[in-house]
Amino acid sequence: AQSVTQPDIHITVSEGASLELRCNYSYGATPYLFWYVQSPGQGLQLLLKYFSGDTLVQGIKGFEAEFKRSQSSFNLRKPSVHWSDAAEYFCAVGALKAGGTSYGKLTFGQGTILTVHP
Amino acid sequence: DADVTQTPRNRITKTGKRIMLECSQTKGHDRMYWYRQDPGLGLRLIYYSFDVKDINKGEISDGYSVSRQAQAKFSLSLESAIPNQTALYFCATSDYQGNQPQHFGDGTRLSIL
Repeated sequence: AQSVTQPDIHITVSEGASLELRCNYSYGATPYLFWYVQSPGQGLQLLLKYFSGDTLVQGIKGFEAEFKRSQSSFNLRKPSVHWSDAAEYFCAVGALKAGGTSYGKLTFGQGTILTVHP
Repeated sequence: DADVTQTPRNRITKTGKRIMLECSQTKGHDRMYWYRQDPGLGLRLIYYSFDVKDINKGEISDGYSVSRQAQAKFSLSLESAIPNQTALYFCATSDYQGNQPQHFGDGTRLSIL
């Protein structure tokens, strides 16, 4: 069964500092990976996704993530955090069948809450 | 995502009551999902449907049932609510193609007393 681990439950950074949120996945098949952000009282918004190709993917709001197959990781980064980035972040993994279609289900990590200090 | 609408947004009810949460979408997606979110546990899949005649249990389906009334509508029911079903519930949709992301509604906060 596939699984996702986000080792950090809560991270605090100062505004303007760099950010890295960790995500490790476990799945034997070809994975596709997402990062979502959830602001209070709202649903999940897609930040970026990795399917194939370039292992460094760019997303919205200045975020990027790097897929490292050897480490089973898909860490999210931002060079300079803004106060509006305070939210909860979720990593999710899905799996593809041999022909490229998906099994359809995603497995989510536990989430990382980001606090930004002024 | 405004194209995925959940009703109600908030609901407080008592143990033993039957509750229905509704989800409708205008994205034209075939696939729909119901999740619950609990602090520290992330999102867990309750049920999912790949089309109107294809409904599947997720990892935590006990105590829940669903109905896919049309391509655009997917309802979640709690036949006899219990307090540990207090949670934030999300509906999501996705295209049938392999790597497409899921699009989420704004959630229903359900409290069972």
